[in-house]
Amino acid sequence: GAGVSQSPSNKVTEKGKDVELRCDPISGHTALYWYRQRLGQGLEFLIYFQGNSAPDKSGLPSDRFSAERTGESVSTLTIQRTQQEDSAVYLCASSSPGQLISYNSPLHFGNGTRLTVT
Amino acid sequence: AQSVTQLGSHVSVSEGALVLLRCNYSSSVPPYLFWYVQYPNQGLQLLLKYTTGATLVKGINGFEAEFKKSETSFHLTKPSAHMSDAAEYFCAVSGYSGGYQKVTFGTGTKLQVIP
Repeated sequence: GAGVSQSPSNKVTEKGKDVELRCDPISGHTALYWYRQRLGQGLEFLIYFQGNSAPDKSGLPSDRFSAERTGESVSTLTIQRTQQEDSAVYLCASSSPGQLISYNSPLHFGNGTRLTVT
Repeated sequence: AQSVTQLGSHVSVSEGALVLLRCNYSSSVPPYLFWYVQYPNQGLQLLLKYTTGATLVKGINGFEAEFKKSETSFHLTKPSAHMSDAAEYFCAVSGYSGGYQKVTFGTGTKLQVIP
């Protein structure tokens, strides 16, 4: 079966432009996460979706960042008015097959989108 | 609040030598602990996980980790390093807070294997 798919794999944009990053989770996975990984640093939590519950947006760094997910399918992360400090790899992960929340389910990651803001 | 500390952002070992990557966690509830590996230009892959039961957990590629509650540690080991083990390794703790699952990652340890 297909894994987590992210697109585009690379994105170069000019400062001030908006960008939209896409994540296709594994079919049936109810939980979806977005993380940011700056060069040489660890994973920074951005946002978490679980089924139809309200998302946990506590990691979004500013109001320029937003994310949506329709049901248990595709998610998009939008960054408005990009800044150079937004340059990073944005990783998406999904987990928890089925309807039960399983706190010990591992995350399945996509290969990420490398965003470069010039 | 839960947290993960990985000691050493870079570790170098000779090929064939023991690999030891350290991870300490903090969690207010019994933790679920994970090790992930990230190869260049790829996402993270699960190496192994601890949920309940046996405290010595075996994973893929010959790696294993031992959960020590008294030390709040979950160190990753491999008896003999291979060149293909060169990658970045992340320790993570999963729990729940306010009805949400929280997965917190450490800052990662880059493993270099010297021929």
